[in-house]
Amino acid sequence: EDKVVQSPLSLVVHEGDTVTLNCSYEVTNFRSLLWYKQEKKAPTFLFMLTSSGIEKKSGRLSSILDKKELFSILNITATQTGDSAVYLCAVEAGNTDKLIFGTGTRLQVFP
Amino acid sequence: NAGVTQTPKFQVLKTGQSMTLQCAQDMNHEYMSWYRQDPGMGLRLIHYSVGAGITDQGEVPNGYNVSRSTTEDFPLRLLSAAPSQTSVYFCASSYGLAGVSGELFFGEGSRLTVL
Repeated sequence: EDKVVQSPLSLVVHEGDTVTLNCSYEVTNFRSLLWYKQEKKAPTFLFMLTSSGIEKKSGRLSSILDKKELFSILNITATQTGDSAVYLCAVEAGNTDKLIFGTGTRLQVFP
Repeated sequence: NAGVTQTPKFQVLKTGQSMTLQCAQDMNHEYMSWYRQDPGMGLRLIHYSVGAGITDQGEVPNGYNVSRSTTEDFPLRLLSAAPSQTSVYFCASSYGLAGVSGELFFGEGSRLTVL
């Protein structure tokens, strides 16, 4: 059975800290891995990763994929209170037309 | 630029009632899907469609029906609501004829409570 596991489930940090969120997966015919940020409403897209070892970067956020060890990490440096959200990891299995989500990591950043 | 529009945003039902959650997108996306989100469970796929006239089941399809008569619309029907269907529902769409091939665009969500 295809599955996506995120850790930790919850994280509390102070502004300025650096955090690393983890996503491991087991899917048949992996196609891509996506990261989303969910604040109060709909998830918003952060990154899509398809190749191992190539870092995707957007401002203070970065992500990398390891297809051999079947995981991805999302790094946030110099965290701000606006980074407080649930971060969702999702994996697309190539033999189906489904995007499988993990349960998410809830990040709380305090001043 | 509307994107993905879901209605209603909130709904309270009694057990056994039926209702339809509407979803429309104006981006000419072939792929559309419905998810439910429950505390501690993440987003779980209910049904999806890779084009007009084509639908398929996701992880948790029981108690729900869908149809896709047009590219734009993908309604989700609850035939006989149960308290276990209390959840937040998200409709999403994306580019790609062969399925998901990149970013999913989400609607704002519909919060459903079944008493």
